Amino acid sequence: DAGVIQSPRHEVTEMGQEVTLRCKPISGHNSLFWYRQTMMRGLELLIYFNNNVPIDDSGMPEDRFSAKMPNASFSTLKIQPSEPRDSAVYFCASSFGAGNYNEQFFGPGTRLTVL
Amino acid sequence: KNEVEQSPQNLTAQEGEFITINCSYSVGISALHWLQQHPGGGIVSLFMLSSGKKKHGRLIATINIQEKHSSLHITASHPRDSAVYICAVPTQGGSEKLVFGKGTKLTVNP
Repeated sequence: DAGVIQSPRHEVTEMGQEVTLRCKPISGHNSLFWYRQTMMRGLELLIYFNNNVPIDDSGMPEDRFSAKMPNASFSTLKIQPSEPRDSAVYFCASSFGAGNYNEQFFGPGTRLTVL
Repeated sequence: KNEVEQSPQNLTAQEGEFITINCSYSVGISALHWLQQHPGGGIVSLFMLSSGKKKHGRLIATINIQEKHSSLHITASHPRDSAVYICAVPTQGGSEKLVFGKGTKLTVNP
């Protein structure tokens, strides 16, 4: 298996633009997690899905952030409009079963820079 | 909500030294995760444990549930072990949502 796939790997955009990050989990995994990593706050969970259903989105910073998982093999994280403080590395991870009890496999991350 | 503390924040060692990284948390949990983040940014899960000890190659992870403490040990450290090591625990008990420590940056010099 190719592992968790994320695209793009790097994104540079201007404030106010819409940004869409994409994730393809490992085939057969039924839990998917979106994380954000910054120097100040470290790794933070934004949202996670189980069987394509959002379970906990309490980590999503504000209404500018939205995430979808239309099917078991694809998820998106959208920021609209983007702001400089959204600059971070965004990781997607997947697991088989609940993330607390099972190993999570991380994608390579998307480094987002908002100017 | 669980609070996670890791120590030390930074650690420099000579090749061959025995390394210990510590993680303490505030709320009882069902499982704790140790992750490794390479200098290039990639994150790999090293261990998930709920009791006792686990070993994988030169890496050993232990957990004391009563004391709410876990340690990650590296025996015969090597420069390729240089990375950031992060522990993660559920926000509450058996929650699926993880909260992460700030990480320990390890540098192993040849």
